Amino acid sequence: GAGVSQSPSNKVTEKGKDVELRCDPISGHTALYWYRQSLGQGLEFLIYFQGNSAPDKSGLPSDRFSAERTGGSVSTLTIQRTQQEDSAVYLCASSLVRGLGETQYFGPGTRLLVL
Amino acid sequence: AQSVTQLDSQVPVFEEAPVELRCNYSSSVSVYLFWYVQYPNQGLQLLLKYLSGSTLVKGINGFEAEFNKSQTSFHLRKPSVHISDTAEYFCAVSDPRRQKLVFGQGTRLTINP
Repeated sequence: GAGVSQSPSNKVTEKGKDVELRCDPISGHTALYWYRQSLGQGLEFLIYFQGNSAPDKSGLPSDRFSAERTGGSVSTLTIQRTQQEDSAVYLCASSLVRGLGETQYFGPGTRLLVL
Repeated sequence: AQSVTQLDSQVPVFEEAPVELRCNYSSSVSVYLFWYVQYPNQGLQLLLKYLSGSTLVKGINGFEAEFNKSQTSFHLRKPSVHISDTAEYFCAVSDPRRQKLVFGQGTRLTINP
């Protein structure tokens, strides 16, 4: 079946602009995660959704970052007033349930470059 | 809080040679342990995971890992590597009370013919 999909695959923006990154999880997966992969920081957790609510937002680096999930499916990560340090690959993952040790399935990522 | 240390940032090996990628973790609670692989320009794919039970875990593509609680390690091994194993490998832990994965810095495995 279809895996996790993310769009766009690449995004180049200018410093100060807002960007929206989209994630389509695997159908039926109730849990959704956003991670960021950058050269300096490695893979970092950003936020976790269970259904449409976000019980854990502890990884969002600043109030310029926000995310929402609608219909228990698609999620959008929004970065306002982008900065050069926001350049990274943003990965989305989903899992079937909020289960202990449940496997997270990752999408291919969105590569964001802020000029 | 949990942390993961992958001791080698790069590991070069010859094709058909054995390989071990090392992973140590730190946690004040019991954790679940994972190895993910990332092929060039792709997302992460689960190789194997340890939740409980037998400390030797077998995964896909001939990989296995052994959980050692006393040494807080979860090293990944393969007896004979192939060119197609060239990728970056990430060790991760999760706190059973929470959902997020905490990743190590990754180990780049390069296979030489």
